[in-house]
Amino acid sequence: SAVISQKPSRDICQRGTSLTIQCQVDSQVTMMFWYRQQPGQSLTLIATANQGSEATYESGFVIDKFPISRPNLTFSTLTVSNMSPEDSSIYLCSVTDSFQETQYFGPGTRLLVL
Amino acid sequence: AQSVAQPEDQVNVAEGNPLTVKCTYSVSGNPYLFWYVQYPNRGLQFLLKYITGDNLVKGSYGFEAEFNKSQTSFHLKKPSALVSDSALYFCAVRDLNTGGFKTIFGAGTRLFVKA
Repeated sequence: SAVISQKPSRDICQRGTSLTIQCQVDSQVTMMFWYRQQPGQSLTLIATANQGSEATYESGFVIDKFPISRPNLTFSTLTVSNMSPEDSSIYLCSVTDSFQETQYFGPGTRLLVL
Repeated sequence: AQSVAQPEDQVNVAEGNPLTVKCTYSVSGNPYLFWYVQYPNRGLQFLLKYITGDNLVKGSYGFEAEFNKSQTSFHLKKPSALVSDSALYFCAVRDLNTGGFKTIFGAGTRLFVKA
C-alpha cells in the first residue's frame, strides 16, 4: 500500500484566512482524492484530483472555496479559503492502489477555525 | 444512486466474545465493498474488501466480512474481540457501473470492547 503524509497535521486558524494542506505519496498515483470529516461524522468527498487536469468537485464544493493543485503524480495540495468555523474538520488525502480498487488514506489534517 | 448504511452508532462487546458490525448497501450495479478502521487521532486504515469471488473475505487483525448479495449486506465480524479493537469502523461502497471511482462511506460504527 502507498505511504501518504500530510502537512500540517493540525492547525488553528482565524476566520477569513486560508490554509493550504499538502499531501505527499511515496509512489506515483493517477488519482488523488480529498475528503472532509466533520466532527463526529463520516467522510465526504470534496474533489478528485488527476495530474494534468482540473480537479473534479462534488456537489456542494466549489473551486473558489477549495482550490486544488496536482503538479505531479506524487503530490497535491488543498487550500481551504476564507475560512469560517464551519470549516473546522479533518481533511484527508486519499489515493487508489495500482489496481484502482482500494483507497488508502493519509493521517489527516485537523483544522480548527476560530 | 449508491448508498451505504451502518444501522448501529455503537456496538459494545466483552473481550473474547465475537463481534459483528453491520453494513447494508444500495447500488445499481456490481459493488466494490470495503471496511476501514479509524483509531483516535489517526487516518483511516484499510481492513478488507470484496471485489468478486468468495463471499467470505478475510482481512487485517483477524477481521472478516461476508458479502450477501440477496440481503445487500457486508457485515464485519471477528471471532474473538480484543480491547485494542475499540475504534470507529466505516463501511464503504463503490458502484462499478455508475459510480466510477467515487467511494461512499457509511456513517461509522463505534466499537467498544470491554475487558
